[in-house]
Amino acid sequence: NAGVTQTPKFQVLKTGQSMTLQCAQDMNHEYMSWYRQDPGMGLRLIHYSVGAGITDQGEVPNGYNVSRSTTEDFPLRLLSAAPSQTSVYFCASSYLDRGIAGGGNEQFFGPGTRLTVL
Amino acid sequence: SQQGEEDPQALSIQEGENATMNCSYKTSINNLQWYRQNSGRGLVHLILIRSNEREKHSGRLRVTLDTSKKSSSLLITASRAADTASYFCATDSSYKLIFGSGTRLLVRP
Repeated sequence: NAGVTQTPKFQVLKTGQSMTLQCAQDMNHEYMSWYRQDPGMGLRLIHYSVGAGITDQGEVPNGYNVSRSTTEDFPLRLLSAAPSQTSVYFCASSYLDRGIAGGGNEQFFGPGTRLTVL
Repeated sequence: SQQGEEDPQALSIQEGENATMNCSYKTSINNLQWYRQNSGRGLVHLILIRSNEREKHSGRLRVTLDTSKKSSSLLITASRAADTASYFCATDSSYKLIFGSGTRLLVRP
């Protein structure tokens, strides 16, 4: 299994450009999510999905769009890049526990995409 | 704002000593998870403790959870230089996993 893969590893954009960060997992996980990590800080949740066709906003969704047309893929789109979006972006996936104590489980993280917006 | 806050922000210990990190959070949770991040790398899951559990062990790791105080602690026993990393707690509620700001642990050989 490849686990969680992210492309590209590095990207430089100019202000106003758009792009899509790719994320794929081969573990048949229902739950997928995107985070950004700024220097010296923890991860902040951008968007997440509990299954194909279902997405929801996290802590910092503005400026980003997501879609989940398949279980495997969860791309993150930057609509009009801004310098404030310079960050390292991580994608993660996990099984879901929909029981009484429902919620996430162990998250498997991708290696990250380092994005610089000039 | 972030749900979990770790304390201390940085910790430096000698190899062989124990390291304790604390995490406080604000709202009710389904579970709390601890992750490790080596410099520039993705996060690696260490341990998950559910809201109805009080203590959990995994190898040299011991995690406690006190839901009445909304706090958790991670104890790493007999630390090694390879344990040098940042450690994050993450709280899970309503399918949102929210991370704290992390503790940077340095284990000196």
